[in-house]
Amino acid sequence: AQSVTQLGSHVSVSEGALVLLRCNYSSSVPPYLFWYVQYPNQGLQLLLKYTSAATLVKGINDFEAEFKKSETSFHLTKPSAHMSDAAEYFCAVSSGNTPLVFGKGTRLSVIA
Amino acid sequence: NAGVTQTPKFRILKIGQSMTLQCAQDMNHNYMYWYRQDPGMGLKLIYYSVGAGITDKGEVPNGYNVSRSTTEDFPLRLELAAPSQTSVYFCASRNRDRGIGELFFGEGSRLTVL
Repeated sequence: AQSVTQLGSHVSVSEGALVLLRCNYSSSVPPYLFWYVQYPNQGLQLLLKYTSAATLVKGINDFEAEFKKSETSFHLTKPSAHMSDAAEYFCAVSSGNTPLVFGKGTRLSVIA
Repeated sequence: NAGVTQTPKFRILKIGQSMTLQCAQDMNHNYMYWYRQDPGMGLKLIYYSVGAGITDKGEVPNGYNVSRSTTEDFPLRLELAAPSQTSVYFCASRNRDRGIGELFFGEGSRLTVL
C-alpha cells in the first residue's frame, strides 16, 4: 500500500519569504509523486510531478520539489511567497497506473 | 474546451433520498475517478474507471454506485443518503497513455445531507 504524510495542516509565511511544505511518502515500489494545488472553491490543479527522471522537479509559478529516496521525502519549496500562493496544497503518490493516493493537505497562508 | 464538468454544483438532500452526481469530460480520457473531500482529511477515492464498461472500487465505496456506459460520462449514484455523505465530491479524468498522475479535476459538487 502507498501513503503520503503531509507535516503541518497549516503553514503561514510572510510575503517574500521562503515557502516549505513537507511531504513524506511510503511505497513498496518506486513511486511517482505529485503536488497539487487547490484554490478556494475550485478543483485541484497539478503543480509538478516526479516520474523517476530528474530528482529536482520544477513546476508552475516557481515551485519546485526534490525527491529524496533516502529520506522518503518530496518537499515543496518556493523561494519567495506571493499573496496569490495562498491555497491548499496536496501531495500525492502513485505506482504508475494505480489511482493517486492523496495526503490530507496543507493550507498555506501568506501574510502581507 | 470544457474539460471536466460536474453537475450539480450544490445540492441539499434529506436522509434516505437518492441522487446522481453527473460528470462528463470532453478530452477523450480513458480513466475517470470520483473522490470525496472532507475538511482536514484530503481526498478519498470512491470509485474509478479505466474505460467504458469497467469500474472498480476505491477506498470508500460504501453507499455509492457508478456506471461507465460511455467514455465521456461517469455518474456517481448515492442511494439512501446519510449525513456521513455530506462532503465535496470531485470527478477527475486522465489520459491512459500520457501524463501519469496528471489528473484533470472538475470544480466539485457540494452535497449536504440533513
